[in-house]
Amino acid sequence: EVQLVESGGGLVQPGGSLRLSCSASGFTFSSYAMHWVRQAPGKGLEYVSAISSNGGSTYYADSVKGRFTISRDNSKNTLYLQMSSLRAEDTAVYYCVKDISPGIAAAGTFDYWGQGTLVTVSS
Amino acid sequence: EIVLTQSPATLSLSPGERATLSCRASQSVSSYLAWYQQKPGQAPRLLIYDASNRATGIPARFSGSGSGTDFTLTISSLEPEDFAVYYCQQRSNWLFTFGPGTKVDIK
Repeated sequence: EVQLVESGGGLVQPGGSLRLSCSASGFTFSSYAMHWVRQAPGKGLEYVSAISSNGGSTYYADSVKGRFTISRDNSKNTLYLQMSSLRAEDTAVYYCVKDISPGIAAAGTFDYWGQGTLVTVSS
Repeated sequence: EIVLTQSPATLSLSPGERATLSCRASQSVSSYLAWYQQKPGQAPRLLIYDASNRATGIPARFSGSGSGTDFTLTISSLEPEDFAVYYCQQRSNWLFTFGPGTKVDIK
Protein backbone atom coordinates (compact mmCIF):
# COMPACT_ATOMS: atom_id res chain seq x y z
CA GLU A 1 0.00 0.00 0.00
CA VAL A 2 1.35 3.39 -1.00
CA GLN A 3 1.77 5.76 1.94
CA LEU A 4 2.96 9.35 1.96
CA VAL A 5 3.37 10.96 5.36
CA GLU A 6 4.22 14.65 5.59
CA SER A 7 5.77 16.33 8.60
CA GLY A 8 7.42 19.60 9.54
CA GLY A 9 4.52 21.99 9.32
CA GLY A 10 3.74 24.56 11.98
CA LEU A 11 3.58 28.22 12.83
CA VAL A 12 6.35 30.45 11.52
CA GLN A 13 6.81 34.21 11.41
CA PRO A 14 6.88 36.12 8.14
CA GLY A 15 10.37 35.99 6.68
CA GLY A 16 11.11 32.73 8.46
CA SER A 17 12.03 29.30 7.18
CA LEU A 18 10.65 25.80 7.49
CA ARG A 19 11.52 22.40 6.04
CA LEU A 20 8.81 19.92 5.17
CA SER A 21 9.50 16.21 4.85
CA CYS A 22 7.53 13.42 3.22
CA SER A 23 8.25 9.82 4.07
CA ALA A 24 7.21 7.43 1.32
CA SER A 25 6.53 3.71 1.42
CA GLY A 26 4.76 1.00 -0.54
CA PHE A 27 6.38 1.74 -3.89
CA THR A 28 9.85 2.12 -5.43
CA PHE A 29 10.39 5.74 -4.45
CA SER A 30 13.49 6.20 -6.60
CA SER A 31 11.51 5.37 -9.76
CA TYR A 32 8.97 8.18 -9.56
CA ALA A 33 8.96 11.94 -9.85
CA MET A 34 7.40 13.60 -6.83
CA HIS A 35 5.51 16.83 -6.26
CA TRP A 36 4.28 19.32 -3.69
CA VAL A 37 0.80 20.83 -4.01
CA ARG A 38 -0.70 23.28 -1.52
CA GLN A 39 -4.15 24.46 -0.52
CA ALA A 40 -4.79 27.67 1.35
CA PRO A 41 -7.61 27.48 3.93
CA GLY A 42 -10.95 27.35 2.14
CA LYS A 43 -9.31 27.72 -1.28
CA GLY A 44 -8.45 25.55 -4.26
CA LEU A 45 -5.38 23.54 -5.14
CA GLU A 46 -2.14 25.26 -6.17
CA TYR A 47 0.78 23.44 -7.75
CA VAL A 48 4.07 24.22 -6.01
CA SER A 49 7.03 22.12 -7.13
CA ALA A 50 8.25 18.95 -8.82
CA ILE A 51 11.42 16.87 -8.80
CA SER A 52 12.47 14.12 -11.18
CA SER A 53 13.01 10.60 -9.93
CA ASN A 54 16.80 11.01 -9.80
CA GLY A 55 16.66 14.54 -8.42
CA GLY A 56 18.35 15.96 -11.48
CA SER A 57 15.47 18.18 -12.59
CA THR A 58 13.24 20.46 -10.58
CA TYR A 59 10.35 22.82 -11.30
CA TYR A 60 8.80 25.62 -9.27
CA ALA A 61 5.68 27.68 -9.59
CA ASP A 62 6.41 31.37 -10.09
CA SER A 63 4.87 32.12 -6.69
CA VAL A 64 7.62 30.20 -4.85
CA LYS A 65 10.56 30.38 -7.25
CA GLY A 66 13.72 31.58 -5.53
CA ARG A 67 12.26 30.97 -2.07
CA PHE A 68 11.49 27.23 -2.00
CA THR A 69 13.81 24.31 -2.76
CA ILE A 70 12.62 20.79 -3.47
CA SER A 71 14.96 17.85 -2.92
CA ARG A 72 14.88 14.13 -2.27
CA ASP A 73 16.94 11.41 -0.65
CA ASN A 74 16.25 8.17 -2.48
CA SER A 75 18.25 6.19 0.08
CA LYS A 76 15.79 7.34 2.75
CA ASN A 77 12.63 7.33 0.59
CA THR A 78 12.07 10.92 1.62
CA LEU A 79 11.01 14.07 -0.19
CA TYR A 80 11.74 17.54 1.15
CA LEU A 81 10.59 21.10 0.67
CA GLN A 82 12.82 23.82 2.12
CA MET A 83 10.82 27.02 2.43
CA SER A 84 12.40 30.39 3.17
CA SER A 85 11.35 34.05 3.12
CA LEU A 86 7.88 32.85 4.03
CA ARG A 87 4.91 35.14 3.50
CA ALA A 88 1.38 35.17 4.86
CA GLU A 89 0.15 33.97 1.47
CA ASP A 90 2.20 30.78 1.86
CA THR A 91 -0.19 29.69 4.62
CA ALA A 92 -1.67 26.41 3.41
CA VAL A 93 -1.87 22.68 3.77
CA TYR A 94 1.06 21.22 1.86
CA TYR A 95 0.51 17.86 0.19
CA CYS A 96 3.22 15.44 -0.88
CA VAL A 97 2.12 13.82 -4.13
CA LYS A 98 3.34 10.88 -6.17
CA ASP A 99 3.54 10.98 -9.96
CA ILE A 100 1.56 8.30 -11.77
CA SER A 101 4.28 7.05 -14.13
CA PRO A 102 7.69 5.58 -13.36
CA GLY A 103 10.59 7.27 -15.10
CA ILE A 104 12.96 10.15 -14.69
CA ALA A 105 10.64 12.89 -15.92
CA ALA A 106 7.34 13.84 -14.35
CA ALA A 107 4.22 12.72 -16.18
CA GLY A 108 2.27 15.31 -14.23
CA THR A 109 -0.65 13.21 -13.08
CA PHE A 110 -0.94 12.65 -9.36
CA ASP A 111 -2.15 9.25 -8.24
CA TYR A 112 -1.37 9.26 -4.51
CA TRP A 113 -1.55 12.11 -2.03
CA GLY A 114 -0.45 12.41 1.58
CA GLN A 115 -2.82 13.80 4.18
CA GLY A 116 -0.97 17.10 4.21
CA THR A 117 0.81 19.26 6.75
CA LEU A 118 -0.38 22.73 7.71
CA VAL A 119 1.99 25.67 7.43
CA THR A 120 0.85 28.90 9.04
CA VAL A 121 2.80 32.09 8.43
CA SER A 122 1.83 34.71 10.95
CA SER A 123 3.32 37.06 13.51
CA GLU B 1 0.73 29.63 -18.17
CA ILE B 2 -2.32 27.65 -19.16
CA VAL B 3 -5.41 28.78 -17.25
CA LEU B 4 -8.22 26.34 -16.53
CA THR B 5 -11.78 27.52 -16.05
CA GLN B 6 -14.42 25.28 -14.48
CA SER B 7 -18.17 25.61 -14.70
CA PRO B 8 -20.45 25.82 -12.96
CA ALA B 9 -18.88 26.90 -9.70
CA THR B 10 -21.60 25.03 -7.81
CA LEU B 11 -23.90 22.29 -9.01
CA SER B 12 -26.91 21.43 -6.86
CA LEU B 13 -28.33 18.01 -7.62
CA SER B 14 -30.15 15.13 -5.97
CA PRO B 15 -28.87 11.57 -5.52
CA GLY B 16 -29.52 9.55 -8.65
CA GLU B 17 -29.24 12.54 -10.97
CA ARG B 18 -26.62 12.97 -13.67
CA ALA B 19 -23.83 15.50 -13.08
CA THR B 20 -21.99 17.19 -15.93
CA LEU B 21 -18.95 19.29 -15.04
CA SER B 22 -16.97 21.38 -17.51
CA CYS B 23 -13.33 22.38 -17.69
CA ARG B 24 -11.96 24.72 -20.33
CA ALA B 25 -8.29 25.44 -21.01
CA SER B 26 -6.93 28.77 -22.26
CA GLN B 27 -4.97 26.88 -24.92
CA SER B 28 -4.82 23.31 -26.11
CA VAL B 29 -3.62 20.71 -23.62
CA SER B 30 -4.20 17.83 -26.03
CA SER B 31 -5.60 15.03 -23.85
CA TYR B 32 -3.38 15.83 -20.87
CA LEU B 33 -6.15 16.57 -18.43
CA ALA B 34 -7.05 14.91 -15.14
CA TRP B 35 -9.95 15.17 -12.70
CA TYR B 36 -9.73 14.93 -8.90
CA GLN B 37 -12.36 14.65 -6.19
CA GLN B 38 -11.89 16.23 -2.78
CA LYS B 39 -14.11 15.80 0.25
CA PRO B 40 -13.92 18.06 3.32
CA GLY B 41 -10.86 17.36 5.44
CA GLN B 42 -9.45 14.87 2.95
CA ALA B 43 -6.72 14.89 0.36
CA PRO B 44 -7.75 14.95 -3.30
CA ARG B 45 -8.27 11.64 -5.09
CA LEU B 46 -7.47 10.99 -8.73
CA LEU B 47 -10.57 10.04 -10.73
CA ILE B 48 -9.70 10.43 -14.42
CA TYR B 49 -6.38 10.94 -16.21
CA ASP B 50 -5.52 11.77 -19.80
CA ALA B 51 -9.07 13.02 -20.31
CA SER B 52 -10.89 9.69 -20.32
CA ASN B 53 -9.00 7.01 -18.38
CA ARG B 54 -10.45 6.02 -15.03
CA ALA B 55 -7.91 5.65 -12.25
CA THR B 56 -7.58 2.43 -10.33
CA GLY B 57 -10.64 1.63 -8.24
CA ILE B 58 -12.83 4.43 -9.61
CA PRO B 59 -16.44 3.37 -10.25
CA ALA B 60 -17.74 3.22 -13.81
CA ARG B 61 -20.29 5.96 -13.10
CA PHE B 62 -17.41 8.43 -13.47
CA SER B 63 -16.40 9.19 -17.04
CA GLY B 64 -14.33 11.83 -18.76
CA SER B 65 -14.29 13.16 -22.27
CA GLY B 66 -12.82 15.92 -24.40
CA SER B 67 -9.57 17.04 -25.98
CA GLY B 68 -7.86 20.26 -26.88
CA THR B 69 -9.49 22.96 -24.78
CA ASP B 70 -12.87 21.55 -23.72
CA PHE B 71 -13.36 18.70 -21.27
CA THR B 72 -16.24 17.14 -19.37
CA LEU B 73 -16.52 14.99 -16.27
CA THR B 74 -19.78 13.08 -16.08
CA ILE B 75 -21.17 11.27 -13.07
CA SER B 76 -23.96 9.14 -14.50
CA SER B 77 -25.98 8.71 -11.32
CA LEU B 78 -24.93 10.53 -8.17
CA GLU B 79 -24.32 8.47 -5.06
CA PRO B 80 -24.38 10.11 -1.60
CA GLU B 81 -20.58 9.85 -1.39
CA ASP B 82 -20.11 11.79 -4.65
CA PHE B 83 -21.04 15.15 -3.16
CA ALA B 84 -17.68 16.89 -3.08
CA VAL B 85 -15.48 19.39 -4.89
CA TYR B 86 -14.04 18.40 -8.27
CA TYR B 87 -10.88 19.87 -9.77
CA CYS B 88 -9.47 19.56 -13.25
CA GLN B 89 -5.70 19.72 -13.79
CA GLN B 90 -3.55 19.93 -16.88
CA ARG B 91 -0.03 18.74 -17.49
CA SER B 92 2.03 20.41 -20.17
CA ASN B 93 5.81 20.55 -20.23
CA TRP B 94 6.14 20.50 -16.43
CA LEU B 95 3.76 23.45 -16.24
CA PHE B 96 0.99 21.96 -14.15
CA THR B 97 -2.09 23.94 -13.16
CA PHE B 98 -5.43 23.26 -11.50
CA GLY B 99 -8.85 24.69 -12.19
CA PRO B 100 -10.72 26.54 -9.42
CA GLY B 101 -13.08 23.63 -8.75
CA THR B 102 -16.76 22.78 -9.01
CA LYS B 103 -18.68 21.99 -5.87
CA VAL B 104 -21.37 19.36 -6.25
CA ASP B 105 -23.79 19.71 -3.38
CA ILE B 106 -27.07 18.14 -2.38
CA LYS B 107 -30.19 19.87 -3.64
